[in-house]
Amino acid sequence: EVQLVESGGGLVQPGGSLRLSCAASGFTLSDYNMNWVRQAPGKGLEWVSYISGSGSTIYNADSVKGRFTISRDNAKRSLYLQMNSLRAGDTAVYHCARGLYYKESGWYFDFWGRGTLVTVSS
Amino acid sequence: QTALSQPASVSGSPGQSITISCIGTSSDVGGYNYVSWYQQHPGKAPTLMIYDVSNRPSGVSNRFSGSKSGNTASLTISGLQAEDEGVYYCSSYTSRTSGLFGGGTKLTVL
Repeated sequence: EVQLVESGGGLVQPGGSLRLSCAASGFTLSDYNMNWVRQAPGKGLEWVSYISGSGSTIYNADSVKGRFTISRDNAKRSLYLQMNSLRAGDTAVYHCARGLYYKESGWYFDFWGRGTLVTVSS
Repeated sequence: QTALSQPASVSGSPGQSITISCIGTSSDVGGYNYVSWYQQHPGKAPTLMIYDVSNRPSGVSNRFSGSKSGNTASLTISGLQAEDEGVYYCSSYTSRTSGLFGGGTKLTVL
């Protein structure tokens, strides 16, 4: 069974940093592209970052460029999101979401974690 | 980047069919056959319902179908059931090598 479990969320002051983790199980992490998607309280979904299976290709939403860094450690079956210079607008539940098998073309997220809440407030 | 445009809400009675639209541009919905749809129940993670415009993942009911015409994608749910209530989001790949979601549509089964 595919499982994605996020951790690392919490309350942080504006300008602060936080590192999120996503533990993957039930599949070979290195075979899949991975993403972070966030959802502000009561709002819709917003794609944040993408990383290819090998980690060689990374895409980021304009809203987080230069502040957030996605990375992965396939040996540890983990995905990460380093978030710096946090703003109130970054307050959201952050979901880890599995993308496509590395040999396939396309764009969708077939498994999601339940998310971890990040609150940016003084 | 501006989100894809979806109606805020739709409703239907059990057994009826409803369609949710998702309007984008030639740089996203119209430019790629990489439109997907997600269902989200309160407090839960989203679930993939349709991918690559019209494909259903294993386990998703054939009451759910997707299509696209130009810059507009659509999700149709036939034979509405109470369990279909929730919020539905469309998503598309974009020419800026990024992903884009719609604002979400709340489906109410009357």
